[in-house]
Amino acid sequence: QSVLTQPPSVSGAPGQRVTISCTGSSSNIGAGYHVHWYQQLPGTAPKLLIFGYTNRPSGVPDRFSGSKSGTSASLAISGLQAEDEADYHCQSYDTRLSAWVFGGGTKLTVL
Amino acid sequence: QVQLVESGGGLVKPGGSLRLSCAASGFRLSDYYMTWIRQAPGKGLEWVSYITNSGNSMNYADSVKGRFIISRDNAKNLVYLQMDSLRAEDTAMYYCTREGRDCINTSCYESWGQGTLVTVSS
Repeated sequence: QSVLTQPPSVSGAPGQRVTISCTGSSSNIGAGYHVHWYQQLPGTAPKLLIFGYTNRPSGVPDRFSGSKSGTSASLAISGLQAEDEADYHCQSYDTRLSAWVFGGGTKLTVL
Repeated sequence: QVQLVESGGGLVKPGGSLRLSCAASGFRLSDYYMTWIRQAPGKGLEWVSYITNSGNSMNYADSVKGRFIISRDNAKNLVYLQMDSLRAEDTAMYYCTREGRDCINTSCYESWGQGTLVTVSS
């Protein structure tokens, strides 16, 4: 059971927009700790996609965006492309555990 | 460019030991905190341990505390993870990561190695 909760899977057709949620609690997101997102293409290491809820590292397309609402964060991917098919992980810090924590990951399927 | 290359993984029996190494290049290792993160087969990511840039401070996940030790040799551009008393549940891909300097509020991991696989089985 992950401290940050993500849906196991989402899907969308090419060109569509999908969102992936990351639900936390008062000991992590609600305590003011930022959320970061990682993209993990099949068989590869994760890659930092979004940091500090909304910021994109250099080279990440603006089709990827992040947001925060209360004790949750979301990753939105617009104009879906086949190459976006991957696992997406959210990450933050938890004061109760005194540890950096990840969501369970969400598998995105492009139909 | 930034490169992190892990090595040292393999098959080990329960109770055994392994030492993972992470060779860093393309940046000054002594400027960065470094972190090990693992991923069990088919599972999500799990933070394991970090070490400050000078090596003066470390922290560990409860699941590995007392069994794993992180260290670094900035002169040799190497980061290590000594793993003792290994258990079946330690079976995972282990990634060496460099912390992102832009993530001031909460650590993020902006560079990752390709990982080294540790399998604990009799």
